[in-house]
Amino acid sequence: SAVISQKPSRDICQRGTSLTIQCQVDSQVTMMFWYRQQPGQSLTLIATANQGSEATYESGFVIDKFPISRPNLTFSTLTVSNMSPEDSSIYLCSVRPGTNTGELFFGEGSRLTVL
Amino acid sequence: QKEVEQDPGPLSVPEGAIVSLNCTYSNSAFQYFMWYRQYSRKGPELLMYTYSSGNKEDGRFTAQVDKSSKYISLFIRDSQPSDSATYLCAMKTTGGSYIPTFGRGTSLIVHP
Repeated sequence: SAVISQKPSRDICQRGTSLTIQCQVDSQVTMMFWYRQQPGQSLTLIATANQGSEATYESGFVIDKFPISRPNLTFSTLTVSNMSPEDSSIYLCSVRPGTNTGELFFGEGSRLTVL
Repeated sequence: QKEVEQDPGPLSVPEGAIVSLNCTYSNSAFQYFMWYRQYSRKGPELLMYTYSSGNKEDGRFTAQVDKSSKYISLFIRDSQPSDSATYLCAMKTTGGSYIPTFGRGTSLIVHP
């Protein structure tokens, strides 16, 4: 298992600004993921954060809008840039242990409201 | 058609009831099946996972997979108010992407 801490837990932001969300894991993990969870919707994968290389983005998500850093095996950040009300959502950091079963462990999420 | 379908609910039951939560899927290559529980204002936590078909029991929880029908279920016996949460099913194939596909989640309310 893994203990994942996310900051901030919630924030209210103005349109056009940017917010960086931090994710800290209590152990070294190879794969870290960023998800978005909108009300009534499935968890949507934004990108896979790779240590030492560029993040891999899913269809519909681009680096200019969601830049990601992964400086080491225990930490990652996701920035939501030039925010609009449509970016209001819960953003979740997740890690995968070293198995092939697909089990993921999640942080508590960062609830973002854009006015 | 979405790969994984899950009724969002809410499902409201009295304390002590047997709860049945379900998902259907379209990708016959899915082999790993998971249930996550998400309390309000918390991240999802893995509740159970099964490989291929069959049943798996853990205390009051039973996960069931019917691959022939592409249908999975989570049963909760003697439900408690503390079981009130959103339950998300997730599934993945054995190879290729390590990323599971999630359902929308079913909101469960167990009232005293």
